[in-house]
Amino acid sequence: RKEVEQDPGPFNVPEGATVAFNCTYSNSASQSFFWYRQDCRKEPKLLMSVYSSGNEDGRFTAQLNRASQYISLLIRDSKLSDSATYLCVVWGSGGYNKLIFGAGTRLAVHP
Amino acid sequence: SAVISQKPSRDICQRGTSLTIQCQVDSQVTMMFWYRQQPGQSLTLIATANQGSEATYESGFVIDKFPISRPNLTFSTLTVSNMSPEDSSIYLCSAEGGRDDEQYFGPGTRLTVT
Repeated sequence: RKEVEQDPGPFNVPEGATVAFNCTYSNSASQSFFWYRQDCRKEPKLLMSVYSSGNEDGRFTAQLNRASQYISLLIRDSKLSDSATYLCVVWGSGGYNKLIFGAGTRLAVHP
Repeated sequence: SAVISQKPSRDICQRGTSLTIQCQVDSQVTMMFWYRQQPGQSLTLIATANQGSEATYESGFVIDKFPISRPNLTFSTLTVSNMSPEDSSIYLCSAEGGRDDEQYFGPGTRLTVT
């Protein structure tokens, strides 16, 4: 089983749509969680951290369910510029102090 | 967030040669990391670059193949030694952000080995 698993995608959605990405992680001792965005041929950029209480940044909402080891990202009112690969990232613990990256979910927003 | 630069941005190298990639951070950071991203795949951690001591390598990566230097708190190099076509990849440097577990990435070095 992969340490971080994501929806394979790609997601093809029209502008204005709401889209949700899911992610599960295997290490129950993981402490921190992130969503990164990676544009084609560019480096990953931190989109947002994910907190147990859930957090929102404009059109983006991230949720964490520690009991189910599940993370989600919701994008509302999709824009063309949201087209990218979204990486679910987990910071391990218990002697496992490094970022573990999911394989990424590709989003294509069309007019 | 830290601003990170890398050079070269890309290179085409012959098999059997070595390439050294440089990573510069605009502020002092404790933690720096080197990753590899092969085509169509996600990022894999190669090693943590420790200032003043030997790098800590992940399983499957060894110092002889990927020697790393970290002479100070703003700079690191990764060398890809005795290259083969399988080393063709994007190599990314990263550094910690405001929190120990947040990381920011350099623009990457796209390496092609022929």
